[in-house]
Amino acid sequence: RKEVEQDPGPFNVPEGATVAFNCTYSNSASQSFFWYRQDCRKEPKLLMSVYSSGNEDGRFTAQLNRASQYISLLIRDSKLSDSATYLCVVNIAGGKLIFGQGTELSVKP
Amino acid sequence: DAGITQSPRYKITETGRQVTLMCHQTWSHSYMFWYRQDLGHGLRLIYYSAAADITDKGEVPDGYVVSRSKTENFPLTLESATRSQTSVYFCASSDGGNTIYFGEGSWLTVV
Repeated sequence: RKEVEQDPGPFNVPEGATVAFNCTYSNSASQSFFWYRQDCRKEPKLLMSVYSSGNEDGRFTAQLNRASQYISLLIRDSKLSDSATYLCVVNIAGGKLIFGQGTELSVKP
Repeated sequence: DAGITQSPRYKITETGRQVTLMCHQTWSHSYMFWYRQDLGHGLRLIYYSAAADITDKGEVPDGYVVSRSKTENFPLTLESATRSQTSVYFCASSDGGNTIYFGEGSWLTVV
């Protein structure tokens, strides 16, 4: 079993839709959590960190549930430019950063 | 604005040859990482390093060797390349905070 698992994609949604991605991790000692975005196999870029209290950045909301070892990303009012692969990243321990396999999002006009 | 650079960006090599992918960062970040990315697998951690002279195995270390004699460099060597090592390789660095900075990737084809 992978240490970090994500919803399989692809997600195909119309513009303006709300879409949610889920991610689970297996190591309860995991220390920090992130969502990254990757376009067309270019280098991934940080979208947002995930905090225990939940956090929001514009149309993006991230949630963490340590008890269930579960992370989520909600995108509201989807734009064409949101089309990308979204990667869940977990700092397992001591700086070991593990990526989920990624969820592909395609936003259609 | 240098950042993190990988070389070569593109490489074709033959099965059995030794190949070294170079990674250089200019920020003096303590952490450095090597990932490979294949369709259907996302990014998988090969090796990482918390500081010079400290390296640890990731998820898929077999067939790879790393070294970190200087903070700014983290080369990845395929001792005897196999077709299954055809992939895109990403080097990354971090100061231990929230952001990992990636290189642009090295596309390796083993024929």
